[in-house]
Amino acid sequence: QKEVEQNSGPLSVPEGAIASLNCTYSDRGSQSFFWYRQYSGKSPELIMFIYSNGDKEDGRFTAQLNKASQYVSLLIRDSQPSDSATYLCAVPGTALIFGKGTTLSVSS
Amino acid sequence: DTAVSQTPKYLVTQMGNDKSIKCEQNLGHDTMYWYKQDSKKFLKIMFSYNNKELIINETVPNRFSPKSPDKAHLNLHINSLELGDSAVYFCASSPLSKRQSHYGYTFGSGTRLTVV
Repeated sequence: QKEVEQNSGPLSVPEGAIASLNCTYSDRGSQSFFWYRQYSGKSPELIMFIYSNGDKEDGRFTAQLNKASQYVSLLIRDSQPSDSATYLCAVPGTALIFGKGTTLSVSS
Repeated sequence: DTAVSQTPKYLVTQMGNDKSIKCEQNLGHDTMYWYKQDSKKFLKIMFSYNNKELIINETVPNRFSPKSPDKAHLNLHINSLELGDSAVYFCASSPLSKRQSHYGYTFGSGTRLTVV
């Protein structure tokens, strides 16, 4: 059974700082990785996905993969209070398998 | 023009009752899913379903049953509700029926079920 582990947090950063969120995965054969953002009381929304062949940058968000150590990171540059949410990491199995999420709090 | 819609948004019911949650997607996706999110925010797969295959998470009690009248709908029926069934239930869909999906899922807005 594939597993995804995340530190539940909360991770607190000041506005403008870089927030770094990490996720470890159990299956060395995983080929793609997803990051979802979930605001309180809302549904998860996809913000980033990467394949095992490289990192990806999209605006203020960067996803990085470390295959040797089996973890994937999400970096949020110039963090804003609107980034305060729970961030869920996921890998494909028979369906997407999610970690328990890391709560990020950005203070102004 | 909601992509994945769920009804009802809130559901409060007594133990022992039977209830259903409906889900519809207008994205033309092949596969639909039901997830359960508990009070600690853990999002856990319950079922994945396309017109050929139903995959059931082995930890899901058989009181839960998915019902799909057509490709665009996947309803969740729950018999003999228990206090521990209280959670938020999310429907989702994706464009691929392959097990190793390379596409993210689109989620519905969720149904908050409270069993009293």
